Amino acid sequence: GENVEQHPSTLSVQEGDSAVIKCTYSDSASNYFPWYKQELGKRPQLIIDIRSNVGEKKDQRIAVTLNKTAKHFSLHITETQPEDSAVYFCAATSNTGGFKTIFGAGTRLFVKA
Amino acid sequence: DVKVTQSSRYLVKRTGEKVFLECVQDMDHENMFWYRQDPGLGLRLIYFSYDVKMKEKGDIPEGYSVSREKKERFSLILESASTNQTSMYLCASSGAGGRETQYFGPGTRLLVL
Repeated sequence: GENVEQHPSTLSVQEGDSAVIKCTYSDSASNYFPWYKQELGKRPQLIIDIRSNVGEKKDQRIAVTLNKTAKHFSLHITETQPEDSAVYFCAATSNTGGFKTIFGAGTRLFVKA
Repeated sequence: DVKVTQSSRYLVKRTGEKVFLECVQDMDHENMFWYRQDPGLGLRLIYFSYDVKMKEKGDIPEGYSVSREKKERFSLILESASTNQTSMYLCASSGAGGRETQYFGPGTRLLVL
């Protein structure tokens, strides 16, 4: 079946450094790629998303890139801060089968002060 | 502000019991989802619904059923709870279509003894 692979599973960076999380998807019909952030003990919340007709999107310190040919998409966080510490999930949604969303396994990001 | 609520934050049940998890959203969203979250496995889709009385299987529907009699309410049913269903269960809702933000509930941590 369709799947989304996410790497790394754990990432530790120094405050101020950049963090990059990468995902690959298998369903070529996927056309929407959201990223969710889940802080400890809280519910996942959308931080940024990208649609298949766009190659890159940026929102302040966060950017997402999409390579449809390679079925890769990545999250970039610049100038990391301790409050960026959380679990990040990528996801891919396809219109086939009724808008099914497949999530990656998550990346636990630690930002050391 | 979107509000998604779940009937219980914590639940302890015995093996073989029938378990009902309720989810209610107040934003008139068409789509509703049930996920389970396990360490290292991310968010796995159990069932989703894109309309009242409609349901679609996700990746791990075995041992679960769902009910959507009203637009705002989506119930997850464990017909006969087993210990391997011990997990965190997250409900989510989103607007019509496949490229809308999913809003998550606070989660129900279920322990099956």
